This record gives sequence, structure tokens and C-alpha cells, in this order.
Amino acid sequence: DQQVKQNSPSLSVQEGRISILNCDYTNSMFDYFLWYKKYPAEGPTFLISISSIKDKNEDGRFTVFLNKSAKHLSLHIVPSQPGDSAVYFCVGTGNQFYFGTGTSLTVIP
Amino acid sequence: EAGVAQSPRYKIIEKRQSVAFWCNPISGHATLYWYQQILGQGPKLLIQFQNNGVVDDSQLPKDRFSAERLKGVDSTLKIQPAKLEDSAVYLCASSLEQGNSPLHFGNGTRLTVT
Repeated sequence: DQQVKQNSPSLSVQEGRISILNCDYTNSMFDYFLWYKKYPAEGPTFLISISSIKDKNEDGRFTVFLNKSAKHLSLHIVPSQPGDSAVYFCVGTGNQFYFGTGTSLTVIP
Repeated sequence: EAGVAQSPRYKIIEKRQSVAFWCNPISGHATLYWYQQILGQGPKLLIQFQNNGVVDDSQLPKDRFSAERLKGVDSTLKIQPAKLEDSAVYLCASSLEQGNSPLHFGNGTRLTVT
């Protein structure tokens, strides 16, 4: 049962433009959502989180938006940089962390 | 702050053999997790420890997988006997406490079962 879904396996964006990564979830009991970033041959690293009682959280170039009624969240990266090229995992937390399948972002110089 | 340490980085074994992975969490982190990440999928929780006690092992295939964290610090994950479908990256993570504290991951062990 995939409780967190990332329907776009890959995304390519030009350097300097906005990257938008999307995530849908089915479990309305999640109380936090997190985004993790993963480079090849490394473990995932925490990027940004949002509480289920908020609708936006911003940290530098990264902003996460939460739409609870639609059970949808998105990660915006602006401006995108080549170093942002990685796999991004959306995570919902309740009694444990539930990971999506990931979106591979490529930022083209 | 030293990160989560895992070894080995890579392991290739034949099916029906056994294998063990080791993890040393960040100092002071009470909660330790083992995740399995199959190619093209997100990490899936195998087992969660709080200090040296098991919090959740509902997704651990207990007929072949075992894990321990005897002194509440290091942990080992063992597979015996291995199957082809166990080929994956095994990630260890730790967090300061249970709940929503972000997980800190090691670089993982890539297991190939032939």
C-alpha cells in the first residue's frame, strides 16, 4: 500500500528556472511531511519539512506547499542550480516514515 | 558531528548464503532504523529500535532477516539465507528521538545476490 506517491519519476529543468516536484498522499493522519534529497551512492539527506497544520514553509531557495484538502504537496526550488540534480523523496510521517518512490531532478547548465 | 557509519559499502553473495551489515549511529541518537531500498523504489522500513528495544519490526521478514542492537548503540542486520529478491541497498538511519525528528542516513550497503 503506497501511502505516498510521486508520479513523476524524472524532471529536467534549465539552470536558473523553477523546479516543481509533486507528491500525493492517501493517509490523512500524517502529521509531518519531509523532503529528502539523495545523491548517487549516498544516503538520503533531510532538506525541508512542513507540519500538517501549515500550508507553506520556506528555507532559502526551497519552499514546500501543502494542500491538505487535495492531499497534495509540492517542493519548489528557485532558482535551480546544477548541484540540485539528485533524487528527491517525499515523506509522510505518522507512526513511521513513509517514503515515496522518488523523482530524479536534472538541472541542465 | 560524525554521521551514521555503515559497512561494508558493497557486498556480493550467492543465493542461500548469509550476510551481515553493521551500523554505528550518530552519538546520542536513541532511535535507529534499518531500511531496504530496492532499485526504483523508496526506502522501506525493516525495523526500528529505541535504545536496545524493538519498536517496530512488522515489515521484517523474520524467517530470514534478524537485527540486534545489544548495547543501544551499534546495530547489525543479518540475512540468512539470502534470496535474489534481497538485492537492494540497506540503509541505516538514526534520529535523536522518536516521532518527527529528521532521520540521518548512512551511505548504505549495496547488496547483490546472484
